[in-house]
Amino acid sequence: LAKTTQPISMDSYEGQEVNITCSHNNIATNDYITWYQQFPSQGPRFIIQGYKTKVTNEVASLFIPADRKSSTLSLPRVSLSDTAVYYCLLYNNNDMRFGAGTRLTVKP
Amino acid sequence: NAGVTQTPKFRILKIGQSMTLQCTQDMNHNYMYWYRQDPGMGLKLIYYSVGAGITDKGEVPNGYNVSRSTTEDFPLRLELAAPSQTSVYFCASSYSAGPYEQYFGPGTRLTVT
Repeated sequence: LAKTTQPISMDSYEGQEVNITCSHNNIATNDYITWYQQFPSQGPRFIIQGYKTKVTNEVASLFIPADRKSSTLSLPRVSLSDTAVYYCLLYNNNDMRFGAGTRLTVKP
Repeated sequence: NAGVTQTPKFRILKIGQSMTLQCTQDMNHNYMYWYRQDPGMGLKLIYYSVGAGITDKGEVPNGYNVSRSTTEDFPLRLELAAPSQTSVYFCASSYSAGPYEQYFGPGTRLTVT
């Protein structure tokens, strides 16, 4: 499974839009791009998943360019409760590898 | 629905002891997984199961064993505990393989001293 690279940490303020970019240069044809959120002392929680172009749900948007070598998770109008670690993963059948993730801190 | 439940929440083991981490899901999912998470790191897959009676190794299976006798339960067995197995263990389940969301349990924090 190809490796993903994302920033170690990001800071933001309440009400701002946050964009976290993930690089996956060696993504395979069958890989799906998946993002999970993890709060301290909890298991990860699924946020969004996509294969190409743009996907939007009630909490986030995922932008994937045509070459699929990167993806951007967009969180609109973040609040303090969005402070968490965000993992970008490539998902292919039973293989899902977590990196260290991006620690997002939302400040008042 | 309870989702994915794990017991115990915390456990301290002495080196060489054994224990079983319990995991149960009530969503009738075929696929179940065990991960471990070391401090400041992402999760690593230990074992997974695609259905009752079928298990397979993940990225870091050494020192662990699993069984899957029912759809609901997927226990993880640690034999001869070592300090390197100090970690937080998460169980997860999903409807199927491919791009299906995995649902995670609350975790078991294990310390081996």
